[in-house]
This record gives sequence, structure tokens and C-alpha cells, in this order.
Amino acid sequence: DIVMTQSPDSLAVSLGERATINCKSSQSILSSSNNKNYLAWHQQKPGQPPKLLIYWASTRESGVPDRFSGSGSGTDFTLTISSLQAEDVAVYYCQQSYGAPLTFGGGTRVEI
Amino acid sequence: EVLLVESGGGLVQPGGSLRLSCAASGFRFSGCWMSWVRQSPGKGLEWVAIIKQDGSEKVYVDSVKGRFTISRDNAKNSLYLQMSSLRAEDTAVYHCVRGNGWFFDYWGQGTLVTVSS
Repeated sequence: DIVMTQSPDSLAVSLGERATINCKSSQSILSSSNNKNYLAWHQQKPGQPPKLLIYWASTRESGVPDRFSGSGSGTDFTLTISSLQAEDVAVYYCQQSYGAPLTFGGGTRVEI
Repeated sequence: EVLLVESGGGLVQPGGSLRLSCAASGFRFSGCWMSWVRQSPGKGLEWVAIIKQDGSEKVYVDSVKGRFTISRDNAKNSLYLQMSSLRAEDTAVYHCVRGNGWFFDYWGQGTLVTVSS
């Protein structure tokens, strides 16, 4: 199984400041056939189901604000919120779709 | 608008069975892979099972193999999860999730399954 490890478990960021979340996979999730990373980021706000933010490691889902960006390749990935807003308080999960079982990171809680 | 509405959760004794349903609307259900993902209270996310558009392929996480069965009825725009031999560790909110290509792009609110005597 591919293990996804996120860090930190939680972080507190001031409004307007940058938040950075890391995700590491136990093996490469970069496909040699299409040069794509099978990595997504999901946001879960309190009392709500998760919402897809980013896929292919760096492609924003339609409607997601451009303050959210994803980067990385192979085994190391980052989700950056460039200027934290109050509505960004949530738990963020990375998830790999490279192989079964599909696996998630443990989540990172972002607070103000 | 894409909508996924789960039902069928509840309290069940260890060793018991339960069938979850997911009613899908707002998109071409028969064109999408569908999954169940669960979330234990206060915990993270665990993918449970996935089914191909026509139901011909199904994949499960090891912990539920032989106990859970995913199925679908494209005529009814519905996804199902038949759960048997339930254990305390199966207690979770079960989300119905749409697959768009390789990724999960829409999640239902979920239905709570509690396994306890």
C-alpha cells in the first residue's frame, strides 16, 4: 500500500498570511506513461463532506480560488494557501490515485 | 447540480448486516466510476470500495474484502454498499463519492453506521 504522510498535523496562520502543508508518499506516484502525478488535495470544513481542491498535484478544480496552489512531484508534494482567509479554516487531506488501495494522508488542520 | 444522497445507516450489533444506498442526480451516473469512502468519528478518511461504470470491475480495501459488496443500478442512478459481519472498527460516516477520471470530485454528506452491542 502507498502510505501518505502529511505534516504538520495542525497549523495556526494569521489572516492574510501563507499556509503550507506537506504530503509525502511512500513511493513515487508519478506515472512514466503520462508524466502526471496521481495526487489530489481535498478540503473538509466542519460539518461538511470533503471538497476537491486540486488534482494532478497542481491543477485547480473549477471554482477553487487561485490562492490555493499545489506543487511537487514524485513523492513530495505541497499545498499552499497564499493568503489565508477565514473561510479556509478546515482540514486538508492529500490523496493518491496511483494504485489500489487509494489512500489518504492523515489530514492537516488549519486554524486562524 | 451534482447531488449524492446517502441513506441506510444506523445502529447495528457486531456481526450484523446493513445496506447503504446512494441516490445520484445532476450528472450522467452511468458514465462515472463510483466509490464509498468512510470516516471514523474524529478520524481521517479511508477509501472502502470502487465500482466501474458498468459494474464489471470492483475493488475493495483489504479490511472489508469478503464482507462488503459494492453494486450499482444505473437505471435507478443508485449506488449501494452491502455490509455484513460488521465489526466495531467499521463504525464511521460512509460517503458516496463520484470519480471523475482518476479523482474523487463530488462527495455526499454521508450516512453514519454505528456498530455496537
